[in-house]
Amino acid sequence: GAGVSQTPSNKVTEKGKYVELRCDPISGHTALYWYRQSLGQGPEFLIYFQGTGAADDSGLPNDRFFAVRPEGSVSTLKIQRTERGDSAVYLCASSLASGYNEQFFGPGTRLTVL
Amino acid sequence: AQTVTQSQPEMSVQEAETVTLSCTYDTSESDYYLFWYKQPPSRQMILVIRQEAYKQQNATENRFSVNFQKAAKSFSLKISDSQLGDAAMYFCAYRFYYGGSQGNLIFGKGTKLSVKP
Repeated sequence: GAGVSQTPSNKVTEKGKYVELRCDPISGHTALYWYRQSLGQGPEFLIYFQGTGAADDSGLPNDRFFAVRPEGSVSTLKIQRTERGDSAVYLCASSLASGYNEQFFGPGTRLTVL
Repeated sequence: AQTVTQSQPEMSVQEAETVTLSCTYDTSESDYYLFWYKQPPSRQMILVIRQEAYKQQNATENRFSVNFQKAAKSFSLKISDSQLGDAAMYFCAYRFYYGGSQGNLIFGKGTKLSVKP
């Protein structure tokens, strides 16, 4: 069984552009989490999906950030009007269920906003 | 709000020696999980060890063990017989016990571990 995959591995964009980051969780995992890891920091929670619905989006920094998971598997994190401060590694994790205590992480997408 | 603090930005250990990484946390909950994750340069977070707060016995996984002091809210990681492959960033993390809408991990800032041959 494959692990969590994320594409692209690296993304360079210009300030003001729109970007999409994709996460493909482990098959059968219903819970999916997005985290953002800025340089020299630990990951910070962005949003949590249980199935298709966003059960908790309290970590999204502002309304430029949005995420979807339409079929309960693949998720896409969307960032509008990117800013230089959005530069970070975006990590995705999945777990069997929300109460299950182990989250499996993907390798992340490094976003650089010039 | 729960917080996790790692006070050692960097640590160094000689190969085959033992090193301890420190972590303290703050919570008003009595039931929760604590974790240590390893993040090598590949960026992939790897679970090293977990501890359920209701268990008094310290968790152990091969060369990795923890010293869990619930009253002091301390959760240190001991790596015995350090190997070159142990070199990485190590993150301490907290999670509310019941998951659900509070199932996200709360991480510390990390400790960079170097292993000298």
